[in-house]
Amino acid sequence: NAGVTQTPKFQVLKTGQSMTLQCAQDMNHNSMYWYRQDPGMGLRLIYYSASEGTTDKGEVPNGYNVSRLNKREFSLRLESAAPSQTSVYFCASSAGLADNEQFFGPGTRLTVL
Amino acid sequence: GQSLEQPSEVTAVEGAIVQINCTYQTSGFYGLSWYQQHDGGAPTFLSYNALDGLEETGRFSSFLSRSDSYGYLLLQELQMKDSASYFCAVKPTGGGNKLTFGTGTQLKVEL
Repeated sequence: NAGVTQTPKFQVLKTGQSMTLQCAQDMNHNSMYWYRQDPGMGLRLIYYSASEGTTDKGEVPNGYNVSRLNKREFSLRLESAAPSQTSVYFCASSAGLADNEQFFGPGTRLTVL
Repeated sequence: GQSLEQPSEVTAVEGAIVQINCTYQTSGFYGLSWYQQHDGGAPTFLSYNALDGLEETGRFSSFLSRSDSYGYLLLQELQMKDSASYFCAVKPTGGGNKLTFGTGTQLKVEL
């Protein structure tokens, strides 16, 4: 099992450009999450999907959109990137929302110039 | 709201025991989790305390006291590979089962 995979691993964007971060899990998990991590801070939830077909805002959703394409895949889109969105983005999954263990992908390191 | 406070950095010697504290201010939560993250890596789950008391998993133990709004992660027989950041996290009640993370503690293990 690959667990949670993310693409790309690194990305550099110019202000105003758009891009989509991809995430997939092969553990048959129902719930998936997108976090961002900035230096000296913990992970902050951007959006999550409790189950296929549903998405909800987290703590810091502004400037982002998500799509739960199917049970395996959950993508994060930046429509018009800003320097404040420079961060490391982690995707995670869990069997269900109530499950205590979340499994994280390797992260995408995004720089917006 | 929720606030989880952790020391930013802790240094200890290989073979020693170290305790990483997490104090919180939250109106209510289901339990306290701990995650480990090596530099450049992904967070990985270590432990979960639903009830007050000590949970032991090998060299790692985690403790929760709801009455004191306090928890800690205890690492015994420290090894160099334990050098990493450690995050506590809670799922606030009424928060839709979403995890809120602390700011993390960077543990440095020295020879």
